[in-house]
Amino acid sequence: NAGVMQNPRHLVRRRGQEARLRCSPMKGHSHVYWYRQLPEEGLKFMVYLQKENIIDESGMPKERFSAEFPKEGPSILRIQQVVRGDSAAYFCASRGLAGINEQFFGPGTRLTVL
Amino acid sequence: SQQGEEDPQALSIQEGENATMNCSYKTSINNLQWYRQNSGRGLVHLILIRSNEREKHSGRLRVTLDTSKKSSSLLITASRAADTASYFCATDGNSGGSNYKLTFGKGTLLTVNP
Repeated sequence: NAGVMQNPRHLVRRRGQEARLRCSPMKGHSHVYWYRQLPEEGLKFMVYLQKENIIDESGMPKERFSAEFPKEGPSILRIQQVVRGDSAAYFCASRGLAGINEQFFGPGTRLTVL
Repeated sequence: SQQGEEDPQALSIQEGENATMNCSYKTSINNLQWYRQNSGRGLVHLILIRSNEREKHSGRLRVTLDTSKKSSSLLITASRAADTASYFCATDGNSGGSNYKLTFGKGTLLTVNP
């Protein structure tokens, strides 16, 4: 059973460009969470999605950031017009049915904004 | 104030010794989880303890939870150099809800010297 997949693993963008981060949850998991980890920090919640629905985006910056989890395909975290402060590791986690909140994390995407 | 704060921030021990890390949190929780992160890598789920449990074991890991003190501890026995990593506790505080987003502390950096 493949774990949570994220790609790319490393992404370099220049200021003003767009970054697209992809996450494929574990097989059978329909709940996806995105977290951001700044250097020397713990992870901070960004957004929680189920298939075709954003459930909680309270951790998302108000501008430039968006997320989706379409019926088919991976979840996408999109950052428009990136700035240096967006440089971080972005992790995706998935879980199965409600009741047990055991979240399984992907390897992360390390975004570097030049 | 931050939910899920670990202490110490850094811990250095010799191989074979036990390592104890603590975590405190502030709000009511459903579960508390411990994760390990090797430098520059993703998070590995170690153990989940529910709010109605007091102690849990998994191999060389022992986790305790004291909801009256809002604290948890992670004990790694007979440590190995391969245990060198950052350890995070994470809580989800949605009582009976369906959100389950995790709140992480800044972690404890454990170094096990051979």
